[in-house]
Amino acid sequence: DAGVTQSPTHLIKTRGQHVTLRCSPISGHKSVSWYQQVLGQGPQFIFQYYEKEERGRGNFPDRFSARQFPNYSSELNVNALLLGDSALYLCASTRMGKAPDTQYFGPGTRLTVL
Amino acid sequence: DAKTTQPTSMDCAEGRAANLPCNHSTISGNEYVYWYRQIHSQGPQYIIHGLKNNETNEMASLIITEDRKSSTLILPHATLRDTAVYYCIASRGATNKLIFGTGTLLAVQP
Repeated sequence: DAGVTQSPTHLIKTRGQHVTLRCSPISGHKSVSWYQQVLGQGPQFIFQYYEKEERGRGNFPDRFSARQFPNYSSELNVNALLLGDSALYLCASTRMGKAPDTQYFGPGTRLTVL
Repeated sequence: DAKTTQPTSMDCAEGRAANLPCNHSTISGNEYVYWYRQIHSQGPQYIIHGLKNNETNEMASLIITEDRKSSTLILPHATLRDTAVYYCIASRGATNKLIFGTGTLLAVQP
């Protein structure tokens, strides 16, 4: 089975622009989580979505938003980009079956804000 | 969520066992210990998880102390491809966000 896929792989934007990142979970997985990883640090939780509803939100400004579609894929949107938004954005999918479940990560999208 | 503490870096000779320690002294009874690793600029890779019993899979073994305040991830025969940052995380499971620290950089030496 294919793993978690993310697109695009790399992205360069300028300050003030908007960006949309996409994630397709593993087949059969119903939940998607988003993480931000800046250079030299561990990933930080942004959002979790399950059955199209937000199940959790990290300490990120309202410029960050996300949604999940009926096919369980997800988009992460970031408005009014700042230089500090430059990071690796990671998507993780979870089956949401018998606990404890496990989050499986995609390869990430590298966002550079100039 | 319980905080975990790991050494910043470790070295291991190729072919030898790598033992990566983790302290989680404030772990609660319903929190599992998860281990992930991240090879440079790739997404984190799930390795193993456990609650209180020792666990083994094709990648590694996880030894959890009886009081659950610490654990050790064991890679039985480390290879150069095991060079990565290893993260130990205490989590209630998939409905709980993963809180990553800075992890342990394991350098496997030839």
